[in-house]
Amino acid sequence: QVQLHQWGAGLLQPSETLSLTCAVSGGFFTGYFWSWVRQSPGKGLEWIGEINHGGTTHFNPSLKSRITLSIDTSKNQFSLNLRSLTAADTAVYYCARGHMGDYWGQGTPVTVSS
Amino acid sequence: QSVLTQPPSASGTPGQRVTISCSGSSSNIGSNTVNWYQQVPGTAPRLVIYSNYQRPSGVPDRFSGSKSGTSASLAISGLQSEDEADYFCAASDDTLNGPVFGTGTRVTVL
Repeated sequence: QVQLHQWGAGLLQPSETLSLTCAVSGGFFTGYFWSWVRQSPGKGLEWIGEINHGGTTHFNPSLKSRITLSIDTSKNQFSLNLRSLTAADTAVYYCARGHMGDYWGQGTPVTVSS
Repeated sequence: QSVLTQPPSASGTPGQRVTISCSGSSSNIGSNTVNWYQQVPGTAPRLVIYSNYQRPSGVPDRFSGSKSGTSASLAISGLQSEDEADYFCAASDDTLNGPVFGTGTRVTVL
């Protein structure tokens, strides 16, 4: 059974950087893209970006300038950094397997507030 | 930003059939396959339909999907109380080069 477990700080101040990591267990790590998606009451579900085991990345153009995605194939983990946070980045952040997401992490609520 | 349009709510009594629509455009549903997700509030989305009509292992055959042109539908037949949740559609978008999601439909079992 594929499982994704994610973690990271949930309360941040404006201008800070969000850092989240997602660990994958129970399945192959190579051969997939690994994605980040966020969900907020105002914007609904929004794709952030994806990375594969070779380090190839694709980003949502609206967030591209603030995102760094990385992957550690030795640990079956991948990570998201989102810089220059504002209140508009407040959301629940999910990691997921694949371009469209067939398995999802449990979600991390992130609040950006001073 | 939700690009795919869904009705905000749908409801039915136990045993009834409920259908949810998802409307997109030629750059997403019109040229790519559709997934459907079930989300109980406070939990992560769960895939219930992929590639327009395929059911992942473990999803009851009460769930079915279809697609026509730039629209897709999810049907839940023999509605059960455990089906009460939010449902989202998703499709890859050729303009975004990533997936776009529906606005979500809250299904209530009366």
